[in-house]
Amino acid sequence: KNQVEQSPQSLIILEGKNCTLQCNYTVSPFSNLRWYKQDTGRGPVSLTIMTFSENTKSNGRYTATLDADTKQSSLHITASQLSDSASYICVVIHRDYKLIFGSGTRLLVRP
Amino acid sequence: GAGVSQSPSNKVTEKGKDVELRCDPISGHTALYWYRQSLGQGLEFLIYFQGNSAPDKSGLPSDRFSAERTGGSVSTLTIQRTQQEDSAVYLCASSLGTGSSSYNEQFFGPGTRLTVL
Repeated sequence: KNQVEQSPQSLIILEGKNCTLQCNYTVSPFSNLRWYKQDTGRGPVSLTIMTFSENTKSNGRYTATLDADTKQSSLHITASQLSDSASYICVVIHRDYKLIFGSGTRLLVRP
Repeated sequence: GAGVSQSPSNKVTEKGKDVELRCDPISGHTALYWYRQSLGQGLEFLIYFQGNSAPDKSGLPSDRFSAERTGGSVSTLTIQRTQQEDSAVYLCASSLGTGSSSYNEQFFGPGTRLTVL
């Protein structure tokens, strides 16, 4: 069964600290993997996109890694800001258009 | 110019009533998708439209759900005889095309929050 699992479900960190979110998937065939940020009451916004041949991709303070052999990905947030408080969703693209979503990690950054 | 828009932003209805949710994709985007996000759950694929091709309806949970895309632009998701378990946020997304390229990234609307009493 095509599944995407994320951990932790929720996370609280202090402003300025780093954190790492995890994603494991069993989707096959695999096209690419994306991390999205979803603010409360808004639609998801793409942070990074990686194909199976890419190991790492950065977008500002966000760095995503991918190990296609173990089917694991991580999203590292550096020097967190209050505005980073959101849900972070790992999404694996099944074939060309069908997105398989993880249930997300809810991050709260406290001052 | 504008992103994906959806209306209404919130809809409260009584069990058994029909509802229509609207999505206006980004101009020029040929692909349109509907997803459902239940409380505490990940997004669930519902239906996909690409140009004039037959839509992929494989994610629709029951025959009470249907969707149209008129003129290759605006789409309407209809839920007939709503049930309480239909309560969720319904998200629409559009993309220029399909394929793994970042060129075909899906852009999401803000969603419609449906509450069935």
